[in-house]
Parts: sequence; structure tokens; C-alpha cells
Amino acid sequence: QVQLVQSGAEVKKPGASVKVSCKASGYTLTSYYMHWVRQAPGQGLEWIGIINPSTTTTSYAQKLQGRVTMTRDTSTSTVYMELNSLRSEDTAVYYCAREYRLMMSRLFDYWGQGTLVTVSP
Amino acid sequence: EIVLTQSPGTVSLSPGERASLSCRASQSVSSSSLAWFQQKPGQAPRLLIYGASGRATGVPDRFTGSGSGTDFTLTISRLEPEDFAVYYCQQLGSSVPTFGPGTKVDIK
Repeated sequence: QVQLVQSGAEVKKPGASVKVSCKASGYTLTSYYMHWVRQAPGQGLEWIGIINPSTTTTSYAQKLQGRVTMTRDTSTSTVYMELNSLRSEDTAVYYCAREYRLMMSRLFDYWGQGTLVTVSP
Repeated sequence: EIVLTQSPGTVSLSPGERASLSCRASQSVSSSSLAWFQQKPGQAPRLLIYGASGRATGVPDRFTGSGSGTDFTLTISRLEPEDFAVYYCQQLGSSVPTFGPGTKVDIK
């Protein structure tokens, strides 16, 4: 069965970097795009970006451009999201989500369990 | 960027009642790219509806999605205790996926 298992919670100081992992199992990593979405405490869902694990092509939300990098390691079926120059407003739960294409539809069918990143002095 | 607006922000209903949740887009969205998610506290979002009206695997038939263009609706025909949660719409039609702010369905 498809599973996305993310790395554990992180506490970082402002200005530091964080790298969150998302290990995929039950399917071939390179066959599906992967998105990252975050959710600040008590807030809604915010799209961060997308990686094509087959080609490593990425696209990021404009507000995070220059601070976020998505990569993948096919040997471990893992995708990574690194966010630099952390600010308090980056405190959120970060999710990876697989994109599945069904006929004309694109959908986020499987999600990781989420990783809480706390940015605090 | 396509902005999604959801209404109401919160709705208080009793089990067995019908819920109608609205999602309005700032510009026309392809129906094939409109989805609805359910999220409970401490959990990841769960896909309910894709392509505006397709039910995801395992989703009960009391959940129905409808609409086109800029106006979409999620209807829950008879609320069960496990349906009290926050519901988000999402569009994947443009290069930047966006989510609505959510509608909270709580127990009256």
C-alpha cells in the first residue's frame, strides 16, 4: 500500500535551515509528482511547491522562491524539502502529498503524516 | 493566482442534518481540477472529491460534489458524528495550486 512517511519534528532558530524528508513506499517514486504544503497553527493550507522526481524539475511558490529547495534520492525513494533563512512565520506543519493523474483530473491522493517545524529564538 | 473563497466560515449543525459548503473561484476553474478535502485536528487532509464530482476511494456516498466555472459545492446529505471537521476546496488547474480558507462544520 502507498505510504508517505515524513521525518520528525524540528525546532530551529531564526535564520537557520531545516530539511524535511518524505519517504515513499508502495509505488515507484519517479512515476508521480510530489507536492509540499504547509499549515501554520490554526490556519489553512498553503502550497509550497512541486518536484518531478523523474526529472528533478521543480516549481516553487513565489513567496518562498529563493529560500526553498526540493530534491530527491531515488535510491531511498525519498524526497526532501529544505527551507533556509527561517523566520517565525515559517512555523507550521509541513506535508508532502503525491499527485495522481486520473484521466483529465489531477489530485493529491496520498499525504504524509506531517512534520512540525517550530522557529523560535 | 486563482483565489478560492469558501462560505460559510463556520456552520453549526446537528447529526442527521444536511450541510452545503460553497467554494467560489476568482476566475473560471476547470472542473477536472477542483477537489475537496476533509481535515480533522492533528491529521493530514483527506481527499474526498476530485474533478469537482468524483468521489475518492472509500468516501461514503453522502458526500457529493457539484458545480462548474467559478462556483462549486460540497454537500453532505446527512451528517454523521465523524463528519464534523474542516473542509477545504483546492484548485489544481493553474500552475500554482491554491486552497480555500476552509469551512468548519461543528456540532450544534
